[in-house]
Amino acid sequence: AQKVTQAQTEISVVEKEDVTLDCVYETRDTTYYLFWYKQPPSGELVFLIRRNSFDEQNEISGRYSWNFQKSTSSFNFTITASQVVDSAVYFCALSEEAQGAQKLVFGQGTRLTINP
Amino acid sequence: GAVVSQHPSRVICKSGTSVKIECRSLDFQATTMFWYRQFPKQSLMLMATSNEGSKATYEQGVEKDKFLINHASLTLSTLTVTSAHPEDSSFYICSARDPGFGNQPQHFGDGTRLSIL
Repeated sequence: AQKVTQAQTEISVVEKEDVTLDCVYETRDTTYYLFWYKQPPSGELVFLIRRNSFDEQNEISGRYSWNFQKSTSSFNFTITASQVVDSAVYFCALSEEAQGAQKLVFGQGTRLTINP
Repeated sequence: GAVVSQHPSRVICKSGTSVKIECRSLDFQATTMFWYRQFPKQSLMLMATSNEGSKATYEQGVEKDKFLINHASLTLSTLTVTSAHPEDSSFYICSARDPGFGNQPQHFGDGTRLSIL
């Protein structure tokens, strides 16, 4: 069965600090996708990134970066120079193909609080 | 702009009421949509896979008679919470993927916050 573990339930840092959110996954599929979503207090899910299982290149987008390591089944997310607006719950997710679409298995989420 | 529209965004109603939530794909046709539920401070859990023109596929532990799903058109799936009770209070969110862009991630609606008094 597919499983996503975000061991950090809550993280609190001071603005401008760097912070890394951990994500470890389990799957028997050879082809899969990994995702990160941001959920602000308003509730909507904001898509951040999707990574194919065959693409282990790290990615950087502004202050955000992702480290995908198949050897350790991890897909960690780092925010550099954090800002108060980064405060939200962040979810890591793993896709499972279902009738040509993708249903997602979510981790428990990490509540990130950036203090001014 | 939003590619998946969910309505209503918030519902407050009395126990025993049935509540219908709509999920529409905008500008694309979705043969498959997904319904998730999120209890306060918890993760999103898949409830069911909505299939256009056929029965929904429910995840283990989800009562199909309690959560009725209808996917009668390629752009609309509805979730009806029948005879809702306070324990059904939750955040419900749907998702769909545009099959015309096979490599794109699925899109989520903005969610419906359901409160049963």
